[in-house]
Amino acid sequence: GAVVSQHPSWVICKSGTSVKIECRSLDFQATTMFWYRQFPKQSLMLMATSNEGSKATYEQGVEKDKFLINHASLTLSTLTVTSAHPEDSSFYICSATGTPNSGANVLTFGAGSRLTVL
Amino acid sequence: GENVEQHPSTLSVQEGDSAVIKCTYSDSASNYFPWYKQELGKGPQLIIDIRSNVGEKKDQRIAVTLNKTAKHFSLHITETQPEDSAVYFCAASRTNAGKSTFGDGTTLTVKP
Repeated sequence: GAVVSQHPSWVICKSGTSVKIECRSLDFQATTMFWYRQFPKQSLMLMATSNEGSKATYEQGVEKDKFLINHASLTLSTLTVTSAHPEDSSFYICSATGTPNSGANVLTFGAGSRLTVL
Repeated sequence: GENVEQHPSTLSVQEGDSAVIKCTYSDSASNYFPWYKQELGKGPQLIIDIRSNVGEKKDQRIAVTLNKTAKHFSLHITETQPEDSAVYFCAASRTNAGKSTFGDGTTLTVKP
């Protein structure tokens, strides 16, 4: 089945630094990737939709200069949290879908990345 | 936009009993309704889904029903086991590969 790998699984950084999270589709070409943020005991909040080769579409209220998303290839999307602050601490999750005949025509989620900003 | 409401927020059952989680949605154009299981510290995992042209779907101990007229769908887990304990999310979207709106989640605890 479709597999999405997310790295790192957890990261601790100092306030003011930038952190990059990678999302890879291992066995299919991901035409679309989604990035979510999840606070403890809450639901997934969609941050942005990323299509390969084009700019990401951000949800209302999500700062695109703060959360940089790059989808440079059909197997990799990255989320960079710039100038991170403690309030950015959260669980970040990606999901990906492929073409209808790719075997990945429904959302497949990564395992998530726990970011802690000190 | 789409609004998905999920109930209950917490559910505790005895091992072997059934568990039912219900969701309602607002967008009549939604056609795809997946259910996800999320274990602590992990990403959501698709456990079953249903499309709007189907009223019911079953996979072993898990079943989903959809009432498109009433805009609600439900997850049914029979013969629950302790390993079923997790947070379950429903979602709704217009396509199976498109942007989804998630419910707030149900924390299911199965007591041995």
